[in-house]
Amino acid sequence: KAGVTQTPRYLIKTRGQQVTLSCSPISGHRSVSWYQQTPGQGLQFLFEYFSETQRNKGNFPGRFSGRQFSNSRSEMNVSTLELGDSALYLCASSISATNTDTQYFGPGTRLTVL
Amino acid sequence: AQKVTQAQTEISVVEKEDVTLDCVYETRDTTYYLFWYKQPPSGELVFLIRRNSFDEQNEISGRYSWNFQKSTSSFNFTITASQVVDSAVYFCALSGPYGGGGADGLTFGKGTHLIIQP
Repeated sequence: KAGVTQTPRYLIKTRGQQVTLSCSPISGHRSVSWYQQTPGQGLQFLFEYFSETQRNKGNFPGRFSGRQFSNSRSEMNVSTLELGDSALYLCASSISATNTDTQYFGPGTRLTVL
Repeated sequence: AQKVTQAQTEISVVEKEDVTLDCVYETRDTTYYLFWYKQPPSGELVFLIRRNSFDEQNEISGRYSWNFQKSTSSFNFTITASQVVDSAVYFCALSGPYGGGGADGLTFGKGTHLIIQP
């Protein structure tokens, strides 16, 4: 079974631009979560989607948004990029909302903002 | 609010030594879940183990073992006879009642960088 896939793996943008990252969960997984990893703040929860609905959101500004499609694939968008948005963005999937399932992570997208 | 503390920023040992990674957590939930993940240089977080708050049995999986103690709010991870391939950053994480199934989000510690020298 294929794991979580994320595209692109690397991305370079300039301040003020916007970016869209994509995540395809493990087949059969319906929950997708996003995390930001930086050297200073570590791993921080961004938001989680299940059945195309955002159920939970971490403490990030509104510039960070996401969505989930009917096939469970998810995208996250960051508008008006700032230098501090440079990070590894990790996507994780799990089977469902109600089961106590483990989240499995993808390889991440490394975003560099210049 | 939940919090996970991994006090050891970096540990360096020689191959074949045993090494223990410490994890202390804080939560107000009575039901919660604890995790360990490994992050090799490639960046992907690899799931190692999940325990719930009602199961304090220690677990052993090959060279890996975990010691969960609610009395001290700790969930420590030991690697026996370490190998160079164990070199990575190890994260301890905590979630609420949904078990990390997504709705809660995981709260991660800062990670411990483990270096196994040949």
